Amino acid sequence: DVKVTQSSRYLVKRTGEKVFLECVQDMDHENMFWYRQDPGLGLRLIYFSYDVKMKEKGDIPEGYSVSREKKERFSLILESASTNQTSMYLCASSSTGIGSYEQYFGPGTRLTVT
Amino acid sequence: AQSVTQLDSQVPVFEEAPVELRCNYSSSVSVYLFWYVQYPNQGLQLLLKYLSGSTLVKGINGFEAEFNKSQTSFHLRKPSVHISDTAEYFCAVSDGRSGYSTLTFGKGTMLLVSP
Repeated sequence: DVKVTQSSRYLVKRTGEKVFLECVQDMDHENMFWYRQDPGLGLRLIYFSYDVKMKEKGDIPEGYSVSREKKERFSLILESASTNQTSMYLCASSSTGIGSYEQYFGPGTRLTVT
Repeated sequence: AQSVTQLDSQVPVFEEAPVELRCNYSSSVSVYLFWYVQYPNQGLQLLLKYLSGSTLVKGINGFEAEFNKSQTSFHLRKPSVHISDTAEYFCAVSDGRSGYSTLTFGKGTMLLVSP
């Protein structure tokens, strides 16, 4: 089974702190994604990566950056956390190829910024 | 650009009753369609997907969905729900043009099953 793990289930940080959210997948997937999930807004794509050291902005990249130094690991960085970044963050991965469009999700990290 | 509309934010239903969760999409190209389920405090799990072929797709936990190209819909159905089906359900679409498989999600429908 595909497994996507996220470093923390719950995280509390202070305004202005630099925050790292880590995601690891064990299926050798080329693509990895970061979403944030807010009530009534569904999932919104922050960034994605289709290869090591490659990244693409999603729909809401402002205030975030990402890093992918190894194929299995994709990090989301909040350079200076703000209260409006309090949210559930979901990581996902997928393979590249015809018919392989589904994404596999991690359990999520609920981040609270105070 | 693609978009997904889930017409109901919340659907209350009694146990053993049938349920339909509605999803409409817009896209200028052929699409691939998905339904995901999210149980409380968990990530998303794939219920079913439509890539091509038969328009009636069967998924896990007794769910099925029908792709209707003329109505641009992909409604999710279950003939008899259980308490354990209480969860949030997300419809998603991909145009598959790139190898990145980016998905556009609807805002979700909370299914509330009561005894």
